[in-house]
Amino acid sequence: RKEVEQDPGPFNVPEGATVAFNCTYSNSASQSFFWYRQDCRKEPKLLMSVYSSGNEDGRFTAQLNRASQYISLLIRDSKLSDSATYLCVVSWTGGYQKVTFGTGTKLQVIP
Amino acid sequence: NAGVTQTPKFRILKIGQSMTLQCTQDMNHNYMYWYRQDPGMGLKLIYYSVGAGITDKGEVPNGYNVSRSTTEDFPLRLELAAPSQTSVYFCASSEVNYGYTFGSGTRLTVV
Repeated sequence: RKEVEQDPGPFNVPEGATVAFNCTYSNSASQSFFWYRQDCRKEPKLLMSVYSSGNEDGRFTAQLNRASQYISLLIRDSKLSDSATYLCVVSWTGGYQKVTFGTGTKLQVIP
Repeated sequence: NAGVTQTPKFRILKIGQSMTLQCTQDMNHNYMYWYRQDPGMGLKLIYYSVGAGITDKGEVPNGYNVSRSTTEDFPLRLELAAPSQTSVYFCASSEVNYGYTFGSGTRLTVV
């Protein structure tokens, strides 16, 4: 089983739609969770951290389910500019920080 | 606020040549990383460092070397370049359990 798994997509959604991505992780000792956004041929950029209580940043909501070992990202009212690849990142600290990136879910928002 | 600076942005190497990819961060982060990303693929960890003087191998270290003489700098050395090293290289830095800051990448082609 991969350490971090994501559906590669692509998810093709119309403008204004709500879309959700899930990411599962295998290491139950994982401590920190993030969503990154990567535009084509650009570096990944931190979108948001994910907390156990869930957190929201504008149109974006992230959730963590430790019992089922998955995190989710919900995007409401999708914009054309949301088109990108979304990377799930899981971090574990055991003497050093081990960080694992998912391979990403591609989102294409269609006019 | 420069963040993580990588040079060069683009480079073409001939098979067997060597080069150093430069990476500098001004955030006083202890952790630094080198990743490669092949077209349409996820990030693969080459080497990482948890502080000045300390480096360790990641998932795909063969053909590369690193050094960390200062907190700010983490150069990646390619010896005897091969076509399989054609990729985009990203340097990143972080603190424990915080998200990464990536450089803008170096696009390397080996011909």
